[in-house]
Amino acid sequence: EAGVTQSPRYAVLQEGQAVSFWCDPISGHDTLYWYQQPRDQGPQLLVYFRDEAVIDNSQLPSDRFSAVRPKGTNSTLKIQSAKQGDTATYLCASSAGLGGRGAEQFFGPGTRLTVL
Amino acid sequence: AQSVTQPDARVTVSEGASLQLRCKYSSSVTPYLFWYVQYPRQGLQLLLKYYSGDPVVQGVNGFEAEFSKSNSSFHLRKASVHWSDSAVYFCAVRYTGGADRLTFGKGTQLIIQP
Repeated sequence: EAGVTQSPRYAVLQEGQAVSFWCDPISGHDTLYWYQQPRDQGPQLLVYFRDEAVIDNSQLPSDRFSAVRPKGTNSTLKIQSAKQGDTATYLCASSAGLGGRGAEQFFGPGTRLTVL
Repeated sequence: AQSVTQPDARVTVSEGASLQLRCKYSSSVTPYLFWYVQYPRQGLQLLLKYYSGDPVVQGVNGFEAEFSKSNSSFHLRKASVHWSDSAVYFCAVRYTGGADRLTFGKGTQLIIQP
């Protein structure tokens, strides 16, 4: 069974440029998460979905970040005008079910973003 | 608010020696507890988890962790480390009710010396 896949694996931008990250979760997983992991830090949740609905986007910088999951499968995270402080690895994870002890999250390899 | 503290940013251990990585959490109720491992250029992989019951839980590759309610801790242990255990280890917590959010510590980099 294929795991969580993400693309691209790496991205290098100038400040002010836009970038999109794409995530394909494990087949059948209804919950999808986006995390930001700055260098030498633990992952921090940005947003998560159940099917196509946003459950929690309270940590997503709404002025420049957006995330969608239109058909409840793949998802795209977009940064409109990148800043140097956005330099980090962006991780996507998926799980079968929302909450509860059974909802183990499976992580993709991440996209490493560098903003110059 | 819940938080996770991993006090050691880096731990160096000789191959074959025993290992303990420390984790303390702050929460008014006992959360679900997890240890993840991250190898270079890879995503996080679950090592083990604790929900309730026996405070010592077994994980993959010979890892185990012990939950202590009195100390609000969930330390990771291994009896004999191998060079392939070199990685970054993250402790994480999730509330037993409400939002399905994992809160991670900053991680501990494990370096295995030959």
